Amino acid sequence: EIVLTQSPGTLSLSPGERATLSCRASQSVGSSYLGWYQQKPGQAPRLLIYGASSRATGIPNRFSGSGSGTDFTLTISRLEPEDFAVYYCQHYGSSRKPFGQGTKVEIK
Amino acid sequence: EVQLVQSGAEVKKPGESLKISCKGSGYSFTSYWIGWVRQLPGEGLEWMGIVFPGDSDTRYSPSFQGQVTIAADKSINTAYLQWSSLKASDTAMYYCVTLDSSGYLDYWGQGILVTVSP
Repeated sequence: EIVLTQSPGTLSLSPGERATLSCRASQSVGSSYLGWYQQKPGQAPRLLIYGASSRATGIPNRFSGSGSGTDFTLTISRLEPEDFAVYYCQHYGSSRKPFGQGTKVEIK
Repeated sequence: EVQLVQSGAEVKKPGESLKISCKGSGYSFTSYWIGWVRQLPGEGLEWMGIVFPGDSDTRYSPSFQGQVTIAADKSINTAYLQWSSLKASDTAMYYCVTLDSSGYLDYWGQGILVTVSP
């Protein structure tokens, strides 16, 4: 069973700063089946990145994903006020489709 | 425009049964898997299982196998998540979601809050 571990648990940053979020898998998941989702308070999650690095429709280019194997990164180049939220990674290539536990990006 | 519209919030007692729904529109409902995701209060996302409305093929996460029933009625473009006997620990937000052919979760319903309390 693949386990995804996200770090840090909470990231305290100011608008305009760069955010780097990590997702580490307990075993290799390749690069094709890793996604990132954003969830704001009181809202459903939304897809940001699929295939580790492809932006979903309508997602601003300040969001980028990278990585392969066991180590993946979501980068937000310059934080906008609306980017403060919780971010989850997911390995959707397995039947269990596990999620990471989430990283909260909060305003410093 | 793809939309998944879920039924309203539910308040139930332990031991009661419940069926919540998710109606899809704006796409070919029978061609894409629909999944269910649980979010316990203040917690992260958990994968529950999927159904293929075209032929009602269903797959469950081991954690939820035997605990819930997932189904779909293609005649009315609606997927369901059902419990036969609710527990207090089932109190959570439940989201339905469409799966792209590659498996990522591309469209989400608005969520249904299920509260189970004596």
